[in-house]
Amino acid sequence: SQKIEQNSEALNIQEGKTATLTCNYTNYSPAYLQWYRQDPGRGPVFLLLIRENEKEKRKERLKVTFDTTLKQSLFHITASQPADSATYLCAPTGRRALTFGSGTRLQVQP
Amino acid sequence: GAGVSQTPSNKVTEKGKYVELRCDPISGHTALYWYRQSLGQGPEFLIYFQGTGAADDSGLPNDRFFAVRPEGSVSTLKIQRTERGDSAVYLCASSLSTGGGALNTGELFFGEGSRLTVL
Repeated sequence: SQKIEQNSEALNIQEGKTATLTCNYTNYSPAYLQWYRQDPGRGPVFLLLIRENEKEKRKERLKVTFDTTLKQSLFHITASQPADSATYLCAPTGRRALTFGSGTRLQVQP
Repeated sequence: GAGVSQTPSNKVTEKGKYVELRCDPISGHTALYWYRQSLGQGPEFLIYFQGTGAADDSGLPNDRFFAVRPEGSVSTLKIQRTERGDSAVYLCASSLSTGGGALNTGELFFGEGSRLTVL
């Protein structure tokens, strides 16, 4: 069955450093992969979408890579800020509705 | 409003009762999704509507769960004979449909969710 793995342990980093979050998937070949941010008690908010024929996508301080051979996406936040603290969800998109990973909680210390 | 609206925001009910959760999507969005999220987990897919029809209901856990979208806009998720294990946040999302078929390339716009607690 399809499986999405994100590091369940929280990632703690210092302000100003680059945060790197990992999303691995197995048993399917998504055409797209999306990343969402979720704050406590709120619904997820879309951040970036990357297609299978794109190796990298950037938006302001965010960068996403998509390696279809490794079945992995990396999500980077450069010059991180305490306001970036949240849970980040990846969603490899196949032939059905979005399926989400369990998310990785990022904590940026001032 | 401009965003996805979900009501009620909180619902406490007793085991065995019937519950309805409502979702009002962004105007013009033809695709509507229901997800369920437990603490520490990602959203779990339940059902997806394209217009009035359920395009994919494979995520509904059993026949106690049912959803409708009679006019292609507002949707209601219905849970019969609630169980304690149904306690979760129920999230609704909508998106612009990018064409026919099951492949959806659009971003989802989520509501704030309805927190259901079954005692």
